[in-house]
Amino acid sequence: GAVVSQHPSRVICKSGTSVKIECRSLDFQATTMFWYRQFPKKSLMLMATSNEGSKATYEQGVEKDKFLINHASLTLSTLTVTSAHPEDSSFYICSASSGMKNTEAFFGQGTRLTVV
Amino acid sequence: AQSVAQPEDQVNVAEGNPLTVKCTYSVSGNPYLFWYVQYPNRGLQFLLKYITGDNLVKGSYGFEAEFNKSQTSFHLKKPSALVSDSALYFCAVRDGTGGFKTIFGAGTRLFVKA
Repeated sequence: GAVVSQHPSRVICKSGTSVKIECRSLDFQATTMFWYRQFPKKSLMLMATSNEGSKATYEQGVEKDKFLINHASLTLSTLTVTSAHPEDSSFYICSASSGMKNTEAFFGQGTRLTVV
Repeated sequence: AQSVAQPEDQVNVAEGNPLTVKCTYSVSGNPYLFWYVQYPNRGLQFLLKYITGDNLVKGSYGFEAEFNKSQTSFHLKKPSALVSDSALYFCAVRDGTGGFKTIFGAGTRLFVKA
């Protein structure tokens, strides 16, 4: 399958700082990327959908000013957690789609964010 | 609105026995259905999908799933479980006539005992 690389895999930051997570599709052009948040022993919660070159579409209840998403190219999307707080600690996962609705999305390996 | 239900938090099965992980769904249009597996602290790996055609779909690692339109189900199955199959399994649905949004079930933890 296609390869999606997510970086970093693990990050610890101080409360009040910002953290950027990168999601790259390595061998295909991802017209659409998705960002999920996974709580312990819980399912994936879709945070937002981003299309290359346009603003992300956020799910209800997700603060767009806190979770900044940029999809500047067909191979890169970034999620920036601004002014992070301990409650933002979570496992964040991106996925990328080539744009065909009948194809599966490919997932990055996830980023474990710990805010101290 | 799309929704997915995985009624079992955990499934326990002995190695060598068949396994079934249940999934039911709800979409307004034709469903695109997916199964993914997640190992600890990792992203999700694609197992199989149903888009159209044969109701029995075969996927990676010997897994298969059967699409049942009347029961709106897409249960994951494997004839003979391995200890290495122990992981967290997610069923997901996308509305085939809508956008790209994919909704995941709550996940089912599969535990295969040697």
